[in-house]
Amino acid sequence: QQQVKQSPQSLIVQKGGISIINCAYENTAFDYFPWYQQFPGKGPALLIAIRPDVSEKKEGRFTISFNKSAKQFSLHIMDSQPGDSATYFCAAQSGYALNFGKGTSLLVTP
Amino acid sequence: NAGVMQNPRHLVRRRGQEARLRCSPMKGHSHVYWYRQLPEEGLKFMVYLQKENIIDESGMPKERFSAEFPKEGPSILRIQQVVRGDSAAYFCASSPPAHGLEAFFGQGTRLTVV
Repeated sequence: QQQVKQSPQSLIVQKGGISIINCAYENTAFDYFPWYQQFPGKGPALLIAIRPDVSEKKEGRFTISFNKSAKQFSLHIMDSQPGDSATYFCAAQSGYALNFGKGTSLLVTP
Repeated sequence: NAGVMQNPRHLVRRRGQEARLRCSPMKGHSHVYWYRQLPEEGLKFMVYLQKENIIDESGMPKERFSAEFPKEGPSILRIQQVVRGDSAAYFCASSPPAHGLEAFFGQGTRLTVV
């Protein structure tokens, strides 16, 4: 049973465009929502994270938008660059175990 | 400060053999987590350990899989009598003692069962 649903599965964006990845969850006990970036052959690396008492968090070109009532959150990558091409995972945590979405493969074309 | 170290990076085992995956947490981290990633899937939680204690193994298959984190040395994920379905990337993460702080992931061990 997938506790966190992520879409789209893959995404192609032109350089300079905005990449948007969406996630939805059901368990209202989740209290921490991180996004991870993974390059081929590497482990996931924390990109940005949010807690449910905040509706938006921005770090550089990366922004998380969080809608607690809809139980949805999204990652926006502004001014997308070819170096952003990677797989992105959303996750939700209650306690210590992270529940991951299935991932979005992002390709930013020059 | 070295990150989370996993070895081997790649492991090939024949069906029925044993696989041992090692994880050395970051310095100062006493919490270790193991996750499994199947092709085109997200990571799935397997087990959470502290030194000499298994805190939660609810994500571990009931048979053939075991994990330990001894007082000295790395954490070990052990898979006995491997089958083709065990082929996956296994990631270890570690975090500091305080609850709720970020967990850092290693680069993973890619297990192939032939």
